[in-house]
Amino acid sequence: GAVVSQHPSRVICKSGTSVKIECRSLDFQATTMFWYRQFPKQSLMLMATSNEGSKATYEQGVEKDKFLINHASLTLSTLTVTSAHPEDSSFYICSAGLGAGGLTDTQYFGPGTRLTVL
Amino acid sequence: KQEVTQIPAALSVPEGENLVLNCSFTDSAIYNLQWFRQDPGKGLTSLLLIQSSQREQTSGRLNASLDKSSGRSTLYIAASQPGDSATYLCVINNNDMRFGAGTRLTVKP
Repeated sequence: GAVVSQHPSRVICKSGTSVKIECRSLDFQATTMFWYRQFPKQSLMLMATSNEGSKATYEQGVEKDKFLINHASLTLSTLTVTSAHPEDSSFYICSAGLGAGGLTDTQYFGPGTRLTVL
Repeated sequence: KQEVTQIPAALSVPEGENLVLNCSFTDSAIYNLQWFRQDPGKGLTSLLLIQSSQREQTSGRLNASLDKSSGRSTLYIAASQPGDSATYLCVINNNDMRFGAGTRLTVKP
């Protein structure tokens, strides 16, 4: 089956530093990948849609200058949390669609990255 | 804007029971609906995907139904097992992904 990986799985950093999270589709190409975050005891919330070769589309309330997304290839998208603060501590999950690239694609999720900012 | 509601928020059942999880949504113009399970601290595992043109999908002990006209989907789990304990999420795709808050299921041995 389709596999999406994320790296790292867990990261602890100091306030003010930047952290990069990678999302890879291992055995399929994904024109579009999605980034989500989940705060404790809350549901997943979509942060942005990452499109290969173009700028990401951010959800309302998500700072694009703080959460930098790069979709350099059809199998890799990166999320960089810049100048991280403790309130950015969260579980970050990516997903990629498997199919013809349309809206009916099945979404496969990465295992997530737990970010803790001290 | 699409709103997705899952009821109940939490459910505890003894092993072997059949159970139903509910998902409702406000905008029936959807492309598809997916049910996922999420284990604590882990990512999501896709269980079933129902396209807009379909009414149900089955996989093993799981059966998901879709009624767009009423804005409802159900996930039926037969003969529940302790390993089914997880949070179950309903996700609607209508040009973006909208998540329900999930139902936390506990199956007691």
